[in-house]
Amino acid sequence: DGGITQSPKYLFRKEGQNVTLSCEQNLNHDAMYWYRQDPGQGLRLIYYSQIVNDFQKGDIAEGYSVSREKKESFPLTVTSAQKNPTAFYLCASSIGGSSYEQYFGPGTRLTVT
Amino acid sequence: GQQLNQSPQSMFIQEGEDVSMNCTSSSIFNTWLWYKQDPGEGPVLLIALYKAGELTSNGRLTAQFGITRKDSFLNISASIPSDVGIYFCAGLSSGSARQLTFGSGTQLTVLP
Repeated sequence: DGGITQSPKYLFRKEGQNVTLSCEQNLNHDAMYWYRQDPGQGLRLIYYSQIVNDFQKGDIAEGYSVSREKKESFPLTVTSAQKNPTAFYLCASSIGGSSYEQYFGPGTRLTVT
Repeated sequence: GQQLNQSPQSMFIQEGEDVSMNCTSSSIFNTWLWYKQDPGEGPVLLIALYKAGELTSNGRLTAQFGITRKDSFLNISASIPSDVGIYFCAGLSSGSARQLTFGSGTQLTVLP
């Protein structure tokens, strides 16, 4: 089955710790994205990558870092510098080129206390 | 950045009723996408629109790309309980480097 997987579904961390969220896709998509969703709000773009070994900051990149060493994988690290990290994190991918349709994973809910 | 105004923010309707929601922007968009999100899950793509004036259906769902390219509409006919969820519009404006802008969502509740 082709799709996007995110793990874990729920993650709990203490304040001051870095945490890495996993995102894997087997759709052979070139582009991958990370969004943050807060209650009652739309999705805000953190980082995106259009090709392996290249990525760009989105609207709210501060306190986050990413890597794109493989086409299938786009992990997101939430660092201790992120002031309000508790949120629902969504990973998406798109085929790239002239297609802008993004397909989302199931999300990871991160709680930092 | 770009902003999308999505309305209404929430809707309560009776099963069987039709539903309409829309997104508007002050900027021109080249692509409109509509998603549905169930609680605790990722959004699922419902309809993609690429041309001004385009009207596209997906079962009981119909979406339109506004002729001014600054708005889009989603209609759901004969609503059923499983239509419950949050509906998001997303748009791509020219010069946005493939970054979608998302509306804040319409929370739909279908009453039996």
